[in-house]
Amino acid sequence: AQTVTQSQPEMSVQEAETVTLSCTYDTSESDYYLFWYKQPPSRQMILVIRQEAYKQQNATENRFSVNFQKAAKSFSLKISDSQLGDAAMYFCAYRSPNTGNQFYFGTGTSLTVIP
Amino acid sequence: NAGVMQNPRHLVRRRGQEARLRCSPMKGHSHVYWYRQLPEEGLKFMVYLQKENIIDESGMPKERFSAEFPKEGPSILRIQQVVRGDSAAYFCASSELRHEQYFGPGTRLTVT
Repeated sequence: AQTVTQSQPEMSVQEAETVTLSCTYDTSESDYYLFWYKQPPSRQMILVIRQEAYKQQNATENRFSVNFQKAAKSFSLKISDSQLGDAAMYFCAYRSPNTGNQFYFGTGTSLTVIP
Repeated sequence: NAGVMQNPRHLVRRRGQEARLRCSPMKGHSHVYWYRQLPEEGLKFMVYLQKENIIDESGMPKERFSAEFPKEGPSILRIQQVVRGDSAAYFCASSELRHEQYFGPGTRLTVT
């Protein structure tokens, strides 16, 4: 089965600064998708950003961007100009149409934003 | 277009009782996935269903757990004879095949 590893259980960042959350994954597939989800205390899973493996260009969504290194199987999330509302659990996830299309999630990184 | 709906949002059961969790997919979606999130962990896949069919139940515990997605009505995740270890948040997601999955708000099950 595919595995997703988030090696940082907790991270903190000063408001308005930049923080990078790490994620690595293991797969033998060539066609897959990678995601970052945010889970605030409400527990709702909120999609932050997604990346198709066949695209070389890194995805960006406003203050959120990724560094996708396919050969290294690395998929980090950069949050710029951090805001208090960014505080949450962040989960990296993998999905492949060749393995049932279900998500494989990492164990999460708890992000604290310091005012 | 209403999002994925789950009910109840919170469910408390005593050990040995049955828990029934419901998931109504987004309109037009015929694929449903159930995930379980234990405390301090990420979501783990349980089962993938299409209307009236179980496609992949490789993540389901072998006993006490079952799921269905009838032709009419919501998908149901059923846990018989609950134990304390079943306490978790249960999420469902819906999609059209190969399209984006949308998550519901989850059901938090507490077993006392």
